[in-house]
Amino acid sequence: DGGITQSPKYLFRKEGQNVTLSCEQNLNHDAMYWYRQDPGQGLRLIYYSQIVNDFQKGDIAEGYSVSREKKESFPLTVTSAQKNPTAFYLCASRTSRDRGIGNTEAFFGQGTRLTVV
Amino acid sequence: KNQVEQSPQSLIILEGKNCTLQCNYTVSPFSNLRWYKQDTGRGPVSLTIMTFSENTKSNGRYTATLDADTKQSSLHITASQLSDSASYICVVSGYGGSQGNLIFGKGTKLSVKP
Repeated sequence: DGGITQSPKYLFRKEGQNVTLSCEQNLNHDAMYWYRQDPGQGLRLIYYSQIVNDFQKGDIAEGYSVSREKKESFPLTVTSAQKNPTAFYLCASRTSRDRGIGNTEAFFGQGTRLTVV
Repeated sequence: KNQVEQSPQSLIILEGKNCTLQCNYTVSPFSNLRWYKQDTGRGPVSLTIMTFSENTKSNGRYTATLDADTKQSSLHITASQLSDSASYICVVSGYGGSQGNLIFGKGTKLSVKP
């Protein structure tokens, strides 16, 4: 089945520890995104990548890092520099150019809930 | 500044009733507007997507409208069901900018009661 997969679904992090969230897609999409969702707030963009080996900071990139070595994969590392990492993290992908209505849709993974313990 | 504003913030309705959610945006240039449904603890799922030239689009009991002149959209839910309880997010796609071309509203939390 085509889709976008995030893992793990739940993740617990100790203070001072780095953790990596996985995001894989087999939709052949060029662009991939990482968002953070907190209660009562809209999705906030952490990082995005329009093409392999290139990525851009979003609005809240501090304390996070990403890589885009393969088109299918866009892992997010939450570093110890992120002071308030407890949140719901969503990964999304879409084509980077408008080729028609059906191709501009963004597909989301099921999310990873990260909790600091 | 590119923004997407949704109202109301939350809404409670009885099963079987209709409701309408609103979305106003200031994104320019405009590419398309989408409505997503997000169940608690899950990723958003697309309901509709509309471009500049489309005024209305339906997906089952969901009907979205778009007025590109006033930069307003609405999502109408007909004959609501308990399973409609979720957050509904309006997302506007522009060109360029620091947000990767997708600008999100904060969502409307809908609760359908029996």
